[in-house]
Formats: sequence, structure tokens, C-alpha cells
Amino acid sequence: ETGVTQSPTHLIKTRGQQVTLRCSSQSGHNTVSWYQQALGQGPQFIFQYYREEENGRGNFPPRFSGLQFPNYSSELNVNALELDDSALYLCASSLDLNTIYFGEGSWLTVV
Amino acid sequence: SQKIEQNSEALNIQEGKTATLTCNYTNYSPAYLQWYRQDPGRGPVFLLLIRENEKEKRKERLKVTFDTTLKQSLFHITASQPADSATYLCALDRRGYSSASKIIFGSGTRLSIRP
Repeated sequence: ETGVTQSPTHLIKTRGQQVTLRCSSQSGHNTVSWYQQALGQGPQFIFQYYREEENGRGNFPPRFSGLQFPNYSSELNVNALELDDSALYLCASSLDLNTIYFGEGSWLTVV
Repeated sequence: SQKIEQNSEALNIQEGKTATLTCNYTNYSPAYLQWYRQDPGRGPVFLLLIRENEKEKRKERLKVTFDTTLKQSLFHITASQPADSATYLCALDRRGYSSASKIIFGSGTRLSIRP
């Protein structure tokens, strides 16, 4: 158990819809990162939040957005869903960036 | 842009032997290199981190080497067991090269240990 919990674990959405994924980080961890992992691929960095501010972004379009709350929990929002957005979305939290803890992920299927 | 390559084929090893996984990268050397284990349908689990000024790191049956000249890291599991079967991900941490810590993952190597 890493102490990082994600919800929902599985969901199915229709193309064009919007989705919100949630992450509760390990207690005291002030840095949260989100990753997208397609089948058979490694995780791809989406963005990172540090103390409620976005602190780095990967090559993802603006329809991928996020939030971090004062308790360091986080949300990933994806608008105008496309079929290629189907993937495992992983949240990772860390305190000192030397050890990073991943959640079990949210499986998103876009049909 | 930075690229990471891991053993493209799955690795099948006899129980008790040493499994060796390779991670090669291009362009600049990372500040840190990490190895993760990922089981099917689960999130990655952090195993080891090695810094650019370290040549080798050990943890129980695991050993990681980091050669910045060859731009390569090797990950060894000694006395391998069927329970070690999983996908192993190599990740480069660009910390220090940008304002954010941005970890770049390889696509992973699937390791199978047969009894």
C-alpha cells in the first residue's frame, strides 16, 4: 500500500464528454504528478502540482487540466474526450522527490 | 528530445539465475535514474534510485548500475524467483534541468521467471 488512492478505478465515457479523476496523496506529500499510461507503454508525464500551483507540464493539450487542493489532494480533468484518451491514468505523490508513490490508477475507456 | 530504450523483448529467466535488464538513454544525462516494478493492472512501485555521481546501488537482491559515459543503466535481480515476474520500468528524472521534476519513463521490460 502506497497511501495514494485514486477514484474511480474504472470508468467508461463517450467521445466528446468530460471526465474528472481524483487523487488523494499520501499524508504530508505536497507534490502530485499525473501520468497517462497506454497499454504496453510507459507512463507519460501530464503535469505536476506543488503546493497548489502547476509546476511543470508535459506534451498534453490544454483540454487536460488539473487542480491541487490545500490538503494536497488533486484532480485531473479532461475535456472533449477522444478515443485515444483511453488509458490508465496514474497519480503519484512525493515529499522530497527521492521516493515517489503511485496510486493504482484510474482506467478510462472512451467509446 | 530525451529518449529511453529498454529491452524491447520480454525476458524469460530460469528461477535462481540473475536477471539483467538494460536501460539506455540519449542526449543529456539525468540527475537521477529510477527503477520501478509494475504488475498487470497496478500502478508502478518504486524500487531504487541512483544519482548521477553514483556507480552502483544495492537493495537486497537488487542491484542497479549507472554509467553516464555509456548512457546506460543495468538492473540486476539475483537469485530470481517466480514472484519477481513483472514489468520493470526505467525512469529518468530531469530534476535540476527545469523548474519541475519531470520523470520520463521507458516502455518497460516484461520479465518472466520460470520455476
